[in-house]
Amino acid sequence: DIVMTQSPDSLAVSLGERATINCKSSQSLLYSSNNKNYLAWYQQRPGQPPKLLIYWASTRESGVPDRFSGSGSGTDFTLTISSLQAEDVAVYYCQQYYNIPRTFGQGTKLEIK
Amino acid sequence: EVQLVESGGGLVKPGGSLRLSCAASGMLFSKGWMNWVRLTPGKGLEWVGRIKSKTDGGTIDYAAPVKGRFAISRDDSKNVLYLQMNGLETVDTAVYYCTTDSSGCRYWGQGTVVTVSS
Repeated sequence: DIVMTQSPDSLAVSLGERATINCKSSQSLLYSSNNKNYLAWYQQRPGQPPKLLIYWASTRESGVPDRFSGSGSGTDFTLTISSLQAEDVAVYYCQQYYNIPRTFGQGTKLEIK
Repeated sequence: EVQLVESGGGLVKPGGSLRLSCAASGMLFSKGWMNWVRLTPGKGLEWVGRIKSKTDGGTIDYAAPVKGRFAISRDDSKNVLYLQMNGLETVDTAVYYCTTDSSGCRYWGQGTVVTVSS
């Protein structure tokens, strides 16, 4: 199974500042035949289902604010929120969909400092 | 607009059974690959299993902790996804979500709560 490890486990950032969450996979998520990374990012607010933010490691889902961006390739990935807003308080998860079983990172709790 | 609505959760004793349902609308359900994912207090999000569309073979895969106890099925005539859970354990206590499986999990239901306790 592919193990997904996020860092940090929790993060406190001031409003308007940048937040960065890292995700490392135990094997490459880059599929050579199409040069795509099979990595997604989700936001889960309290009491809500997860929401897809980013797929193919860097493609923003429709309707997601452009302050959210994804980067990385192979085994190392990053989710960046360029200017933190109050509504961004949530738990963020990365997930690989390269193979079965699908696996998630353990989550990163983002709070306001 | 795609909508997924789960139902069937509740309180069950260890060793008991439950069947969850997920009613889909706003999508061509028969073509969709579907997941069950659960959120547990201690472990975060955990993939439970996936069923492919019948046209893609209908293959069903399960996570190791539920293999042999849980069974995923679908009724494309009713646009419904099922999760039959047998031999429930306290560690199966979670919010269970159905999701689509395409470039990640694009659509999610609101979830249904399963509590396994004596």
